[in-house]
Amino acid sequence: SQTIHQWPATLVQPVGSPLSLECTVEGTSNPNLYWYRQAAGRGLQLLFYSVGIGQISSEVPQNLSASRPQDRQFILSSKKLLLSDSGFYLCAWSVWEHFGDTEAFFGQGTRLTVV
Amino acid sequence: SQQGEEDPQALSIQEGENATMNCSYKTSINNLQWYRQNSGRGLVHLILIRSNEREKHSGRLRVTLDTSKKSSSLLITASRAADTASYFCATEGNAGGTSYGKLTFGQGTILTVHP
Repeated sequence: SQTIHQWPATLVQPVGSPLSLECTVEGTSNPNLYWYRQAAGRGLQLLFYSVGIGQISSEVPQNLSASRPQDRQFILSSKKLLLSDSGFYLCAWSVWEHFGDTEAFFGQGTRLTVV
Repeated sequence: SQQGEEDPQALSIQEGENATMNCSYKTSINNLQWYRQNSGRGLVHLILIRSNEREKHSGRLRVTLDTSKKSSSLLITASRAADTASYFCATEGNAGGTSYGKLTFGQGTILTVHP
């Protein structure tokens, strides 16, 4: 069965420090991978998605970047964190199988607090 | 961008009652999905309804979709205390070409079921 691992679960980082969040997927090949951010009490906003190794698309301008060094590994990074980067970050995967039938599977999220 | 609007923002009911949540969206879609999020956790996929479907059932869940009104509703029948969570609708757009499974989320409805 497919599983998704995301770590760490919580992170407190000072302003200006670097960031690296990692997500790995097991049990599937060539998944589409996504990073979403959720502000407190709000819906999710898509930050990045990837349809293959080395292929990254950014949905919103921001202080963050993403990379996909391996088929089932997705990394969210920042060189210098801002206070506004605080939030709940969720990694997700999907596999497009049939038109109109793409559900997403989410990791447990990382609660990032920038202080 | 957040194209989904959900109402109510919060819903408080007693066990055994039905809970109805509504979602509106703005653009044409491939499908509409509903997800559940327990506090501080990742999202869990509940049900997907395609753009050419009008109603779908899964256990105690019933979803309707009205593409002419760009709206959907989620009904949870005979609610239980364990149904307490946030519920989000999400749409997979159909703006021409492949959507790559990208989802646009609503702001969510916080459901509290009292025992």
